[in-house]
Amino acid sequence: DSGVTQTPKHLITATGQRVTLRCSPRSGDLSVYWYQQSLDQGLQFLIQYYNGEERAKGNILERFSAQQFPDLHSELNLSSLELGDSALYFCASSSDPTNTGELFFGEGSRLTVL
Amino acid sequence: GDSVTQMEGPVTLSEEAFLTINCTYTATGYPSLFWYVQYPGEGLQLLLKATKADDKGSNKGFEATYRKETTSFHLEKGSVQVSDSAVYFCALSVLILGGSYIPTFGRGTSLIVHP
Repeated sequence: DSGVTQTPKHLITATGQRVTLRCSPRSGDLSVYWYQQSLDQGLQFLIQYYNGEERAKGNILERFSAQQFPDLHSELNLSSLELGDSALYFCASSSDPTNTGELFFGEGSRLTVL
Repeated sequence: GDSVTQMEGPVTLSEEAFLTINCTYTATGYPSLFWYVQYPGEGLQLLLKATKADDKGSNKGFEATYRKETTSFHLEKGSVQVSDSAVYFCALSVLILGGSYIPTFGRGTSLIVHP
């Protein structure tokens, strides 16, 4: 158990809908990362937050947004969903973003868009 | 941009066989290198890491050496077990503007070990 909790584990929805994925980092970790894992793209970095502030942005679509709250949990919002958004979304945390990149991953949220 | 290339799988071996999974990288600057493992239904977990050239990372019988001259970080294990069956990801991270290390992952290599 990595200590990173993600909910929901599975989600099935329709095109055009909006969903929210939730992540609770390991106790004491200030930094949260979101990754998207799909068969054709592999593991793609979306966005990183540190202590409530956005720190780095990757290949995140404009339809997607995220935030980190004062209690350090994070949410990833996906809107106007398309079939191609079906993927496994991972949250990861680290205690210090300058720790060379060692991350602790949750088990992921599997999104299926029909 | 920075990237990681690892051998495509699946790699299928018999128990006690020798394992090599190749990984090469392209990066500006001086990256740290990692191997992560993902067991079925679980998230990725760090297997080993190396932060500078010629460092050897090791854990649970797995080893990898940071080779700057060949930009490689190949994963090896002398004798695999059925329980090693998983997907293995090579990754690198470099310090970016803003002061964070953002890992970049390879596509993953599936390992299947038969009894």
